Amino acid sequence: RKEVEQDPGPFNVPEGATVAFNCTYSNSASQSFFWYRQDCRKEPKLLMSVYSSGNEDGRFTAQLNRASQYISLLIRDSKLSDSATYLCVVNMDRGSTLGRLYFGRGTQLTVWP
Amino acid sequence: NAGVTQTPKFQVLKTGQSMTLQCAQDMNHEYMSWYRQDPGMGLRLIHYSVGAGITDQGEVPNGYNVSRSTTEDFPLRLLSAAPSQTSVYFCASSLDGVEQYFGPGTRLTVT
Repeated sequence: RKEVEQDPGPFNVPEGATVAFNCTYSNSASQSFFWYRQDCRKEPKLLMSVYSSGNEDGRFTAQLNRASQYISLLIRDSKLSDSATYLCVVNMDRGSTLGRLYFGRGTQLTVWP
Repeated sequence: NAGVTQTPKFQVLKTGQSMTLQCAQDMNHEYMSWYRQDPGMGLRLIHYSVGAGITDQGEVPNGYNVSRSTTEDFPLRLLSAAPSQTSVYFCASSLDGVEQYFGPGTRLTVT
């Protein structure tokens, strides 16, 4: 079983739509959670961290459910510029292996006009 | 700051050749790592380092060596290239080992 599993997508939505991505992780001892964004043929870049209480950054809302080992990302009022692949990332601190990140395979989003 | 830089951007190797992918960062980050990204597989950790002189293996270390003689540089060596190593390679650095800053990547093809 892969450490981090994501909705495979692709998601194709019109401008202005609300879209949600889900992610599950296997290790209950996971410490930190993130969403990264990756544009076509570019490097991943941090979109936002995910906090236990949930957090919002403009049109983006991230939620964490530790009991279900589940992370979500909600994008409201989608823009053409939101088209990208969204990577769910989990930091599984295993004692001495501090800071090892595990990446999901990514969910591709295309926003059309 | 240049951030994380990688060279070369593209490389074609023949099976059995060796080469070194270069990675440098100017943010004084202690933590650096190498990932490979393959279609449908996501990013997988090859090797990482928590500081100069300290390296450790990630998920897919076979066929690769690393060293960390300075804080700034973290080269990745392919000892004897194989077609299975055709991939996009990303170097990343981090202040705390958690939030990663990625370089632009090296696209490697092994024929």
